[in-house]
Amino acid sequence: EAGVAQSPRYKIIEKRQSVAFWCNPISGHATLYWYQQILGQGPKLLIQFQNNGVVDDSQLPKDRFSAERLKGVDSTLKIQPAKLEDSAVYLCASSREGLNYEQYFGPGTRLTVT
Amino acid sequence: AQSVAQPEDQVNVAEGNPLTVKCTYSVSGNPYLFWYVQYPNRGLQFLLKYITGDNLVKGSYGFEAEFNKSQTSFHLKKPSALVSDSALYFCAVRDISGQAAGNKLTFGGGTRVLVKP
Repeated sequence: EAGVAQSPRYKIIEKRQSVAFWCNPISGHATLYWYQQILGQGPKLLIQFQNNGVVDDSQLPKDRFSAERLKGVDSTLKIQPAKLEDSAVYLCASSREGLNYEQYFGPGTRLTVT
Repeated sequence: AQSVAQPEDQVNVAEGNPLTVKCTYSVSGNPYLFWYVQYPNRGLQFLLKYITGDNLVKGSYGFEAEFNKSQTSFHLKKPSALVSDSALYFCAVRDISGQAAGNKLTFGGGTRVLVKP
């Protein structure tokens, strides 16, 4: 089966600009996650969707980050305006519904904010 | 709050020798435990998980892990390491008690494994 798709793979922007990332999960996976992975650290959950509803966005900086999952399939994550500290790899993952299922990760988008 | 500790930033091992990557966790309820591997410029790949049952879990590429509840550990092991096992390894825990919002997967900081020929 096809894996999790993400685009773009790389993005360089200046601070205060905006940027958007796209994710297409594995077909049939009801749960979708966005993670931020700063260099040298483990991934940190930003937001979790169950179908098109938000389950957990407690660690999403809502003053600048937003995410949506229209029709319970594709998802976009937006940053506006970007800060230098947003430089990281943004990972999308999906899984079947249920806590015991493993997550499948996309290749990530490496964001550099200058 | 749940947490994961991977005490070693890097593990060096000679090819053919046993490999162990350590992980300890802290949860208020019962844990689901996972190991992932990350190769350069790629996303994380699932290796294995402990949900319930036998404490020794076998996974992909010859890896296994042992769940030890008394020591709150879930160390990853491979009897004979390969050069191709060189990568970044992440342990993760999910506390399955409480509300759904508290069930997120929490990752450790990662351990870099270098297998030398």
